[in-house]
Amino acid sequence: DAGVTQSPTHLIKTRGQHVTLRCSPISGHKSVSWYQQVLGQGPQFIFQYYEKEERGRGNFPDRFSARQFPNYSSELNVNALLLGDSALYLCASSLANTGFLWEQYFGPGTRLTVT
Amino acid sequence: GQQVMQIPQYQHVQEGEDFTTYCNSSTTLSNIQWYKQRPGGHPVFLIQLVKSGEVKKQKRLTFQFGEAKKNSSLHITATQTTDVGTYFCAGANAGGTSYGKLTFGQGTILTVHP
Repeated sequence: DAGVTQSPTHLIKTRGQHVTLRCSPISGHKSVSWYQQVLGQGPQFIFQYYEKEERGRGNFPDRFSARQFPNYSSELNVNALLLGDSALYLCASSLANTGFLWEQYFGPGTRLTVT
Repeated sequence: GQQVMQIPQYQHVQEGEDFTTYCNSSTTLSNIQWYKQRPGGHPVFLIQLVKSGEVKKQKRLTFQFGEAKKNSSLHITATQTTDVGTYFCAGANAGGTSYGKLTFGQGTILTVHP
């Protein structure tokens, strides 16, 4: 079975540009979450989507936005890139929505470098 | 907001020695998850603890959830070189407005010398 896939693998952008990162969840998973992982730190929660609706948002500026499509894939958009946005962006999918019994399956991530 | 602290930041052991990492939350958690991330890889789910005082074992790994559901630990017996990586705890908030949010600790980097 295919795991969580993300594209692109690596990306180099210039300050002020916009970027779109893509994620396909494991088949049957309806929930997708996005995390930012800066080198040497734990992943930081950005968004969670379930059934195309935003169900959770972390402490990130409005430059960050996301959406989920009918096939449960998801996009993370970042506008007006800053140097500090350089990080590994991780997508995770999970099976359950209700309660808290959801283990998350992470994709390989997109390494974003902003110059 | 919720904070999850993890200690130690680094741990160097000789192969065969034991290893423990500790996780403390500033708020009561509904559940806690543990992940392992190999160098250059992505976090891989290890286990989830839900009940107060819960203890779970996976071969050489023992996971505990505190009675107050604010702390947790991971203990590895007789480490092997394959245990190398960063171990993260991640807590889910007990109710409130943090629905769907996992707060990760900063991780403990484990190196094992053969």
